[in-house]
Amino acid sequence: AQSVAQPEDQVNVAEGNPLTVKCTYSVSGNPYLFWYVQYPNRGLQFLLKYITGDNLVKGSYGFEAEFNKSQTSFHLKKPSALVSDSALYFCAVRPPYNQGGKLIFGQGTELSVKP
Amino acid sequence: DAGVIQSPRHEVTEMGQEVTLRCKPISGHDYLFWYRQTMMRGLELLIYFNNNVPIDDSGMPEDRFSAKMPNASFSTLKIQPSEPRDSAVYFCASTTSGRAAVRPNEQFFGPGTRLTVL
Repeated sequence: AQSVAQPEDQVNVAEGNPLTVKCTYSVSGNPYLFWYVQYPNRGLQFLLKYITGDNLVKGSYGFEAEFNKSQTSFHLKKPSALVSDSALYFCAVRPPYNQGGKLIFGQGTELSVKP
Repeated sequence: DAGVIQSPRHEVTEMGQEVTLRCKPISGHDYLFWYRQTMMRGLELLIYFNNNVPIDDSGMPEDRFSAKMPNASFSTLKIQPSEPRDSAVYFCASTTSGRAAVRPNEQFFGPGTRLTVL
């Protein structure tokens, strides 16, 4: 079965420290991979995506993600966390055969950045 | 573009009442998605449309839920009759997979409708 796993419900980081939010997927073929962020009482916002090419993808607000095909992972990273990065983060996958844009979402990881 | 527009933003109703949620996708997008978000179940895809046609409604929880897309710029999600367990935030999202699109395959989400069924 196709699935996306975010193994950590919550990640706590001190401001200025690097952060990593983990994501692994189980989808055959070469999927499209996405990260979205949700601030309180808001809809999800696109952060970045990987389709093909360089395994390191840079996105909005200084975030980046590294695609690792052998480990089927797509971890979200940022070199220096800000308090304003505190939010709910979702990893998502679009299976390669799916022309409809339907995404499979992970369960979300709550990122808390403390001053 | 104003983005995906949803109305109402908040809805409080009593059990047994009919609830209608509305969505206006981004102009030019040919896919529209309805999601439900709760603390217990996370983000769930309910149904999605392509060119106004329902493609996959396997996520619709039961017959009390129905969705329509009468034209490219409007969709509704209806719950009749509503129950307290339907309380959630309902999101609408749209996208296009067209190669000529500026940002293909990215889903743009509306602000959501927070539904409370008493």
